Amino acid sequence: GAGVSQSPSNKVTEKGKDVELRCDPISGHTALYWYRQSLGQGLEFLIYFQGNSAPDKSGLPSDRFSAERTGGSVSTLTIQRTQQEDSAVYLCASSLNLSPGHTEAFFGQGTRLTVV
Amino acid sequence: KQEVTQIPAALSVPEGENLVLNCSFTDSAIYNLQWFRQDPGKGLTSLLLIQSSQREQTSGRLNASLDKSSGRSTLYIAASQPGDSATYLCAVPPGGSNYKLTFGKGTLLTVNP
Repeated sequence: GAGVSQSPSNKVTEKGKDVELRCDPISGHTALYWYRQSLGQGLEFLIYFQGNSAPDKSGLPSDRFSAERTGGSVSTLTIQRTQQEDSAVYLCASSLNLSPGHTEAFFGQGTRLTVV
Repeated sequence: KQEVTQIPAALSVPEGENLVLNCSFTDSAIYNLQWFRQDPGKGLTSLLLIQSSQREQTSGRLNASLDKSSGRSTLYIAASQPGDSATYLCAVPPGGSNYKLTFGKGTLLTVNP
């Protein structure tokens, strides 16, 4: 596609429910990233995919968070048993995996998650 | 641990003014630095990426400079317009990394007509 596409754009869920957020990266981009932007906080890194594997999951805040990527393309971020502190904007980005210094990241519009 | 600071946190200027946004980072072992723009309720739009071997990059009315040794970057906006109103974020990879980004908290720019 022309850009990184995320769905849904907004999600309201009840505390304790599971949610799935989807990211469709730019065609041909092998690297994919998830970030979280909480109110009053900066953007924080969650997880990085290279192809279908995730060499860096260090930013996932708890074991309620998981992510997968299939076919080297679409990625899904799953949050189980949502809590109110999970409310945030979840942003996905992708980049070409070129030599260091050339990995310009392109972001989607984000999914605004509200846990009530 | 890489830390990124942006000054000022907010800036309000009249239309037509030239302005400078500042970004500093603690670990100078970076591969690149990227400037983004974020409109309210929207995602991030990439503005400029400066590789570590470069000193500046230009795109239209925007010019970004990088002084890697001192851990500083500036974003210069010429002849500002109301449409430039947004939050501007700078981001760098942690030292030795070329993928994940550490972000500053941004500068909220308002350009008044």
